[in-house]
Amino acid sequence: QVQLQESGPGLVKPSETLSLTCTVSGGSISTYYWSWIRQSPGKGLEWIGYIYSSGTTNYNPSLKSRVTILTDMSKNQFSLKLSSVTAADTAVYYCARGSGDYNAWGQGILVTVSS
Amino acid sequence: DIQVTQSPSSLSASVGDRVTITCRASQSVSTYLNWYQQKPGKAPKLLMNVASSLQSGVPSRFSGRGSGTDFTLTISSLQPEDFATYYCQQSYSSPWTFGQGTKVEIK
Repeated sequence: QVQLQESGPGLVKPSETLSLTCTVSGGSISTYYWSWIRQSPGKGLEWIGYIYSSGTTNYNPSLKSRVTILTDMSKNQFSLKLSSVTAADTAVYYCARGSGDYNAWGQGILVTVSS
Repeated sequence: DIQVTQSPSSLSASVGDRVTITCRASQSVSTYLNWYQQKPGKAPKLLMNVASSLQSGVPSRFSGRGSGTDFTLTISSLQPEDFATYYCQQSYSSPWTFGQGTKVEIK
């Protein structure tokens, strides 16, 4: 049974880059698509983007200029970088398996943007 | 972007009640409509995809139907563990979008 676990700083300063990692266990990231989704009280659930092992990515146009999703096959991990963050990026960030629907999720990590 | 609207935003029901939640898309999503259940402090859980395909391990009291723009999620006999927030999500056209959620509370 695949398990996902997010990790990274819980506090990021405005204008800096948010960096999160998702570690996958119980399965290889060389198969399936892998996604990032966030949830905030103001905007609800928001799809951020996905990556496939080939490196193919698809990002939400609303975030595309600031988002990068990468894989690290050697560590069975994938990552999210979101640059130039503002308070509006404060949310619980989830990693998940899938491109369009998500049948496995991490527990989520709260990231607060504040000075 | 395709907008996805759920109704109602919340409802109160009793154990044993039949509950129906509606999801409407701003344009056709064929059957690329997924339903999730989320409990406080937990990640969403996929209940069904492509409108009506129940995920493994999800009780058969959950059912989904619809195509095009109008969809429903029905719980035939509400159980105590079903009190949660339910979300629909379209995966027909990127960017995928979610409904705002329907909170099912105990009456």
